This record gives sequence, C-alpha cells and structure tokens, in this order.
Amino acid sequence: KQEVTQIPAALSVPEGENLVLNCSFTDSAIYNLQWFRQDPGKGLTSLLLIQSSQREQTSGRLNASLDKSSGRSTLYIAASQPGDSATYLCAGSYGSGNTGKLIFGQGTTLQVKP
Amino acid sequence: SQTIHQWPATLVQPVGSPLSLECTVEGTSNPNLYWYRQAAGRGLQLLFYSVGIGQISSEVPQNLSASRPQDRQFILSSKKLLLSDSGFYLCAWSARVPNEKLFFGSGTQLSVL
Repeated sequence: KQEVTQIPAALSVPEGENLVLNCSFTDSAIYNLQWFRQDPGKGLTSLLLIQSSQREQTSGRLNASLDKSSGRSTLYIAASQPGDSATYLCAGSYGSGNTGKLIFGQGTTLQVKP
Repeated sequence: SQTIHQWPATLVQPVGSPLSLECTVEGTSNPNLYWYRQAAGRGLQLLFYSVGIGQISSEVPQNLSASRPQDRQFILSSKKLLLSDSGFYLCAWSARVPNEKLFFGSGTQLSVL
C-alpha cells in the first residue's frame, strides 16, 4: 500500500530559525512529489514539485529535496517568518499519465513565533 | 492566467438532503479535474477525477457522485447526504501534461447535521 507520512505533526520555532520538515513514502516508484501550503480553512497552494529524476527544487527561501532510494523528501525553510505559519503537506504521484492523483501525508502544522 | 472557482464556501445541510457543489476553471483547456475531501483529523483523500467531458473515475466507494458536463466544469453531487459526508471538499485541476503542479480551489466546508 502506498502511504505518505509526515513527522512531526506540529512544530513551533522562533522567528529567524532555519527548519526542516520531513516526508517519507513507502513506495519508491514515485513519479513526482509535491509540497503544498494550507492556511486554516483555505485551499492548498502548490509550493514545489520535484520530478523523480530530480534531487531538489528551490523557490526563494524554500528548498525541497527528494531521495527515492530512502523514500524521503525534506522541505527546508530558511530564515523563518511569522507569515510562514501554516500547515505544510507533501504528496506523491505514482502515475505519469495523471499526476493530479496524489497520495497526501497528514501534514506538519508550523508556528513561527515573533 | 488560470483560475479555479469553487462554491459555496460553506454549507450546512440536514441528513438525507441532496448536495451539489460546483467547480469551474478559467484560462485553460482540457484540464484534468479532481475532487478531494479533507475530513477532520484525516488527510486529503481523492474522491473523483476526470480527464475529459463525461469521463469520471471514482477512487473510493461512497455516497457521492461526480459529473463533468463541460470541459471546465466539475460537479460533486449526492442524492441523500449522510453524517459521514461532512468535511472540507476541494476541487483541483492540473494540465494534461506530465509533471504539472496541482492547483486547488478555495474549498467548501460541508456540515451535515
């Protein structure tokens, strides 16, 4: 069974700290992996997509890595800000023909304190 | 640019009543369309997806159905709601090419009482 797990479920850090969110997946035959941000009561915003042939992707203060052999992905947030407070979800796609069919982790809720 | 509209934002319905949630996408053609549900304390679960008009695939057996009457319109329905249908429903779209991101609507919070 294909599963995606995120640890920890919640994280609280002071402003300015660098942090890493973890995501693990059971099936290494992943096609791509996406990281999303969700604010309370809102839809999801796509942050980064890493193709199976890639090792990492960067966007501003965000860097996501993918290690298929170990079944892990990480989202690195540099110099965290209170505006980064949200739930972060990772999701894996296992089909090249329909990459919107995603298996989601439960998310990590991040709080950045001023 | 592409946009996705989903309505209503919140909905409170009695058990046994019908349901219709609508989603439309603008600024693109031939998108793949999806309905996800996020239940309290649970992760996002794919309910339905569509790769074209009239083409619907169901991922889990349930009390809901979906339809795609037009290229950029996706509808989630139920004839009789159950308490277990409560949750946050999200419509999403992706381009019909490999390795494209998934873009979500703002969601509908459904409470069945």
